[in-house]
Amino acid sequence: AQRVTQPEKLLSVFKGAPVELKCNYSYSGSPELFWYVQYSRQRLQLLLRHISRESIKGFTADLNKGETSFHLKKPFAQEEDSAMYYCALGRGGGNKLTFGTGTQLKVEL
Amino acid sequence: GAVVSQHPSWVICKSGTSVKIECRSLDFQATTMFWYRQFPKQSLMLMATSNEGSKATYEQGVEKDKFLINHASLTLSTLTVTSAHPEDSSFYICSAMSGANTGELFFGEGSRLTVL
Repeated sequence: AQRVTQPEKLLSVFKGAPVELKCNYSYSGSPELFWYVQYSRQRLQLLLRHISRESIKGFTADLNKGETSFHLKKPFAQEEDSAMYYCALGRGGGNKLTFGTGTQLKVEL
Repeated sequence: GAVVSQHPSWVICKSGTSVKIECRSLDFQATTMFWYRQFPKQSLMLMATSNEGSKATYEQGVEKDKFLINHASLTLSTLTVTSAHPEDSSFYICSAMSGANTGELFFGEGSRLTVL
């Protein structure tokens, strides 16, 4: 069975500080990992996916199969980064998503 | 980007009644849509995959007779909660995949169901 674990419910950092949102997964097949973000009063939207290997809004995430992790990182947090972040594992071609419980990121001035 | 809209955004019903929630892709065609359920302060749980022109595929533990899904067109999927009970109260969210953006899902704003 697949599982996504986000150990932190809330992460509070100061503006300009580095951010790391942790995500670990359990899956017997070849994983497709995503990060979704939900800003206040907005719908869930894709932030990035591991196959793209790109940086979005300064965020990056590297898939580490040895550690079964897909941590989300940003070197310098901005106030507008405050949101709920969900790590998700895709199966069935990547579209059937199993979500983690989410981490609320709060960037303080 | 692609837009997915849900209606109603909020509904209250009496126990024993049925409630229909619509999910529409506004500017693209979606052969596949997904329905999720989210309890307060918990994660989204995939309930079923809605396929245009065919039967929905339900995740393990989801009652297909309780949660009826119809995907009659390429832009509309409906979720009907039949004989609703208070334990069905939840936030229901749909998502759709645009064929032009394989792998990216677009989410609706969600529908909050409260069963009295």
